[in-house]
Amino acid sequence: EVQLVESGGGLVQPGESLRLSCAASGFDVSNNYMSWVRQAPGKGLEWVSVIYSGGITYSAVSVKGRFTISRDNSKNTLYLQMNSLRADDTAVYYCAKYLDPRIAATGPIDFWGQGTLVTVSS
Amino acid sequence: EIVMTQSPATLSVSPGERATLSCRASQSVNRNLAWYQQKPGQAPRLLIYGASTRATGIAARFSGSGSGTEFTLTISSLQSEDFAVYYCQQYNNWPPWTFGQGTKVEIK
Repeated sequence: EVQLVESGGGLVQPGESLRLSCAASGFDVSNNYMSWVRQAPGKGLEWVSVIYSGGITYSAVSVKGRFTISRDNSKNTLYLQMNSLRADDTAVYYCAKYLDPRIAATGPIDFWGQGTLVTVSS
Repeated sequence: EIVMTQSPATLSVSPGERATLSCRASQSVNRNLAWYQQKPGQAPRLLIYGASTRATGIAARFSGSGSGTEFTLTISSLQSEDFAVYYCQQYNNWPPWTFGQGTKVEIK
């Protein structure tokens, strides 16, 4: 059974850093495209970062240069290192696994974690 | 970046009635369009991908249609558990994958 369990969220001040973790089970993160998607309070969904199975990464313009996605294959865990946090980074951050690309082009997310709340406030 | 626009923002429907939600893309996304349902305090759930293919375990009352820039999600007979927020997402041009702003389906 596929499971994604995020951790690491919390309250931080503007300019500080935080690292989110997503422990995966039931599949190998190394063989899948994995993303972080966030949702500000009362708002919609925003894609944040992706790591391809080959290790290439991309991030949204809004977080480029501040956030870094990575993974530890030995721990089957995905990470999001967030630096220089701003108030508008306040959101629930979801770890996301894409639907098997043999079924559909990469994009539909078939498994989500429960989310971890990051609050940036002084 | 492809912009996804959903309408209406809120849809008031009585249980048992049909609900029709719309999603428009700023440029063609072919049929690379997914729909999600999100209930308060929960993560989104994949309903539809490929514009019209139901995801595993999704009830037949959910159906999707469209291609190019215009898409529709139809819930044929609303059940109490269907009142939620629905998002569309394009995955034709990525990154970034982009979502619509959501349509809230509420009880009339």
